[in-house]
Amino acid sequence: AQKVTQAQTEISVVEKEDVTLDCVYETRDTTYYLFWYKQPPSGELVFLIRRNSFDEQNEISGRYSWNFQKSTSSFNFTITASQVVDSAVYFCALSLYTGANSKLTFGKGITLSVRP
Amino acid sequence: EAGVTQSPTHLIKTRGQQATLRCSPISGHTSVYWYQQALGLGLQFLLWYDEGEERNRGNFPPRFSGRQFPNYSSELNVNALELEDSALYLCASSLERVSAFFGQGTRLTVV
Repeated sequence: AQKVTQAQTEISVVEKEDVTLDCVYETRDTTYYLFWYKQPPSGELVFLIRRNSFDEQNEISGRYSWNFQKSTSSFNFTITASQVVDSAVYFCALSLYTGANSKLTFGKGITLSVRP
Repeated sequence: EAGVTQSPTHLIKTRGQQATLRCSPISGHTSVYWYQQALGLGLQFLLWYDEGEERNRGNFPPRFSGRQFPNYSSELNVNALELEDSALYLCASSLERVSAFFGQGTRLTVV
């Protein structure tokens, strides 16, 4: 069975601080995908990134960066110079690519509050 | 290009009634996934439809059902509503059974 753990439940930072959201996953499969989603108060899940298990290259997109380490089964997300608009719940998720197991398994989410 | 659209955005039903939620996937996407986000329970997988067939379902009772139409849109039906069915229901669509782009959700309230 797959499992995603987001040990941090709530994080509060002051605007312009950097913040890292942790994600640890468990799976016995060698082919899988990892995701991060942002859920603002409106409720919609906004897709941020997808990474496959064969690509450990870190990725940067503007103020967002992701660090994928298979050795520690972690896929951490860093927001640089946080802004108030970054306030939301962030979910890490795992998907296998084996037929019926392509569903997403989510972590419990991290509530990020960025104060002005 | 239009994203995943869900209707209605809000739905209020009485216990014991039936609710029907609808989802239109991104154009060209053939897979539709349904998830429930209930307070305190996180995001849980409900159902997956692909090419008109139910491919997988989560750990939910049979009164949660659905279907996918030839145009790949989907309906989620919840029969004999219970108070604990109150939740945000999210639909996602995918072309390659991997990436999932979500709609804005339907907030179901059972009173």
